[in-house]
Amino acid sequence: EVHLVESGGGVVRPGGSLRLSCAASGFTFDASGMSWVRQAPGKGLEWVSRINWNGGITQYADSVKGRFTISRDNAKNSLYLHMNSLTAEDTAFYFCASEDGDLPGLYYFNYWGQGTLVTVSS
Amino acid sequence: EIVMTQSPPTLSVSPGERASLSCRASQSVRFNLAWYQQKPGQAPRLLIYDASSRAAGIPDRFSGSGSGTEFTLTISSLQSEDLAVYYCHQYNKGPPWTFGQGTKVEIK
Repeated sequence: EVHLVESGGGVVRPGGSLRLSCAASGFTFDASGMSWVRQAPGKGLEWVSRINWNGGITQYADSVKGRFTISRDNAKNSLYLHMNSLTAEDTAFYFCASEDGDLPGLYYFNYWGQGTLVTVSS
Repeated sequence: EIVMTQSPPTLSVSPGERASLSCRASQSVRFNLAWYQQKPGQAPRLLIYDASSRAAGIPDRFSGSGSGTEFTLTISSLQSEDLAVYYCHQYNKGPPWTFGQGTKVEIK
């Protein structure tokens, strides 16, 4: 059974930093691309960042580019999101999601974690 | 950026009735469209990928159709457990890969 478990959320002041983690099990993590998707409370889904299977390709939404860094450790079956210069607009539940698809570059999200809440507030 | 527009924002359907949810893309996404179900307090769950393929374990009352810019998610006979927000997601072109704003399905 696939499990994705996020951790590291919490309350942080504007301008602060936080590192989120996602522990994966039940599938071939080191062969799967991964993404972070966020959801502000009561709002819709927003894709944030993705990383390919070996970490060689990383991509970001414009809203976080230059502030967030995605990384992975395949030996630990773990995904990370380093978040800097946080603002109130970054307040959201952050979900990690595994990718699937038959063709390169065409990936949907087949499994999702339960999310971790990041609150940016003074 | 491809903008995904879902309608209606809220759909109220009686148990056993059919529910049809619409998703429109601002440009063609071919068949690269997924649907997710998000129940209150839960993570999203994949229902449909490649516009019409059901994900593993998804009941056959859920079906997807469409291509290009117009897509539909149909729940053939609504059950009480189908109360949720449903999102479409295009993965044809990105970044960014984009979602619709969601359709909330209520039980009448």
